Amino acid sequence: GENVEQHPSTLSVQEGDSAVIKCTYSDSASNYFPWYKQELGKRPQLIIDIRSNVGEKKDQRIAVTLNKTAKHFSLHITETQPEDSAVYFCAAKEDNNDMRFGAGTRLTVKP
Amino acid sequence: DADVTQTPRNRITKTGKRIMLECSQTKGHDRMYWYRQDPGLGLRLIYYSFDVKDINKGEISDGYSVSRQAQAKFSLSLESAIPNQTALYFCATSVPQGDLAKNIQYFGAGTRLSVL
Repeated sequence: GENVEQHPSTLSVQEGDSAVIKCTYSDSASNYFPWYKQELGKRPQLIIDIRSNVGEKKDQRIAVTLNKTAKHFSLHITETQPEDSAVYFCAAKEDNNDMRFGAGTRLTVKP
Repeated sequence: DADVTQTPRNRITKTGKRIMLECSQTKGHDRMYWYRQDPGLGLRLIYYSFDVKDINKGEISDGYSVSRQAQAKFSLSLESAIPNQTALYFCATSVPQGDLAKNIQYFGAGTRLSVL
C-alpha cells in the first residue's frame, strides 16, 4: 500500500519568512495530493490540493509543487504570519485506494 | 464543519469496557471514514464505508468494528477497550469517485477518548 513520509516533524520560522514542508510517497499510481491544516484543538481542514496532471498550484501565500518522477511534493508558505502556526498534514491517494496521511509537521511562526 | 457531527466529544472509560463513538452527517455524502490521531503518527485510517452496509478495513482495524446502517450515520465500536486505544478519533466524509475535484475529506470535530 501507499506510504507517505513527511519532513520536518517540527519547523520554526520568523514571521515574514517562508516555510517549506516536504512529503514523499511510494505508490506511483497516486494521483491526488492534498494538504490539511490543523490548528490547536481543531479538526483538519483542506488548504490546498494538487492532482498528478499539474506540477504546481498556488493560492495566495500558499503553493504546492509536485514531482511525479521523484514521487515527492511540497507545501510552500510565503510571508508567514502567526496565524499560520498549526500542524500541517500531507496525504496521497490513488483513485481506488484510501487516503494515506503523513505524520504531520508542527509549524510555529514567531512574531 | 457542523455538517459532520461526532458524539461524544470526550470520553473516559476503563479497560475492558465496550464503547461506541457516533458520527452523523448532513452533507449527503456516500463515503464515511474513521481515523485515529496520535502524536507523531498523523491520521491513520481505521475503517471506511462507501455506502450503506459497505464496510472496508483501513490501516489499523484490529480491535475496532463499525456499523453503517444508514447513509448519514457511521459508528465506531471498541468491543473491549485497551489503554493503547487512547487517542483522538475523527470521522470524515467525502463524495464518491468519478469527480476528482471531490476527493476532499470533511472532518468532524473529533472525539477524545481516554482508556484507563
